[in-house]
Amino acid sequence: SAVISQKPSRDICQRGTSLTIQCQVDSQVTMMFWYRQQPGQSLTLIATANQGSEATYESGFVIDKFPISRPNLTFSTLTVSNMSPEDSSIYLCSVVSSSFSYEQYFGPGTRLTVT
Amino acid sequence: KQEVTQIPAALSVPEGENLVLNCSFTDSAIYNLQWFRQDPGKGLTSLLLIQSSQREQTSGRLNASLDKSSGRSTLYIAASQPGDSATYLCAVMTTDSWGKLQFGAGTQVVVTP
Repeated sequence: SAVISQKPSRDICQRGTSLTIQCQVDSQVTMMFWYRQQPGQSLTLIATANQGSEATYESGFVIDKFPISRPNLTFSTLTVSNMSPEDSSIYLCSVVSSSFSYEQYFGPGTRLTVT
Repeated sequence: KQEVTQIPAALSVPEGENLVLNCSFTDSAIYNLQWFRQDPGKGLTSLLLIQSSQREQTSGRLNASLDKSSGRSTLYIAASQPGDSATYLCAVMTTDSWGKLQFGAGTQVVVTP
């Protein structure tokens, strides 16, 4: 299994500002993803963080709002830009194991509140 | 487009009873199905992973079954304990979306002492 850490664990931000969330994995992984969980909702995939190239975004999510970096195989950042109260959510990064099972592991999440 | 449904949305049982959580999916072209546990405000803990070629997986008091042809999975938790109180999520990975999980809305479980 993979051990994933995220920083910060939580934050309260003013509308119109930006927050960068970091995700660190204890081993090299090919596939890394960012998910959002809005209050009372399930998880929705934001994007696939690709090492060495631009992230691949799901429908409804755009790079200008959620820029993602993936400088190497153990680290990624997600920025939530120009925040509004609707961005208040838990943001989670995940990785897929390198074995054939494709088991997925999640970080502890970043709880963001926008006021 | 894959749709994942979990029933019931919430469940409350007395300690010691067995729990039965259901998950259904519309597209049977799955690679695997994974059950997670989420405590309030926390991340996800992987409980069981079932490959599409498997019928069930077991870990301790947990047993998950998979019927791919009918698009259903069931998570059984034997002899429930108050510590089992959490939200349980199922997620599927389809064969045309490598690595991407489609989640159900979850079942919120409360086990009363």
